[in-house]
Amino acid sequence: ELKVEQNPLFLSMQEGKNYTIYCNYSTTSDRLYWYRQDPGKSLESLFVLLSNGAVKQEGRLMASLDTKARLSTLHITAAVHDLSATYFCAVVTYFGNEKLTFGTGTRLTIIP
Amino acid sequence: DSGVTQTPKHLITATGQRVTLRCSPRSGDLSVYWYQQSLDQGLQFLIHYYNGEERAKGNILERFSAQQFPDLHSELNLSSLELGDSALYFCASSGSRGGNNEQFFGPGTRLTVL
Repeated sequence: ELKVEQNPLFLSMQEGKNYTIYCNYSTTSDRLYWYRQDPGKSLESLFVLLSNGAVKQEGRLMASLDTKARLSTLHITAAVHDLSATYFCAVVTYFGNEKLTFGTGTRLTIIP
Repeated sequence: DSGVTQTPKHLITATGQRVTLRCSPRSGDLSVYWYQQSLDQGLQFLIHYYNGEERAKGNILERFSAQQFPDLHSELNLSSLELGDSALYFCASSGSRGGNNEQFFGPGTRLTVL
């Protein structure tokens, strides 16, 4: 059974600082997604990572994927308050079986 | 706005009752997925339909059932409700656009069982 672990679960960081969220998964995967969720809201797609070594950047967020290590990272650069949210990684086991297995989520709070 | 719609937004009901949650996928998407988000279980996959046919089942209770209709909208039926069924229920849709089958999530239905 595929297991997806994220750490840390909770992260408080000051504005302007850098930090990384880690996502480990237990079996070979085709694709990995990162989502953002604001309290009581839906999930917003941030990144889709399709292959080993994939790196994608959007604003202050950068995601990468190492399929050999079964590890993805979400790096936050010079954090701002608007980035406060819960971030989830989600893994698809193989193309054709499209169920997403989600990590536990990382609740990020940016302190002014 | 993802283009996926869900109704109702909120639902409050009593134990033992039955409710139906509705989802309309993005235009052109053939796949609909249902997920449950609760504090103790996190985000869990329930079921996947593709063009009217069930494709995969996850941790879906026998008291729950779903279907996808010819117009591609989907309904999730929850019966004999228990307190523990209180959760946010999301549907997501995907299609062949872009080739990566990215799932786009609806706004969710918040179910409260009293």
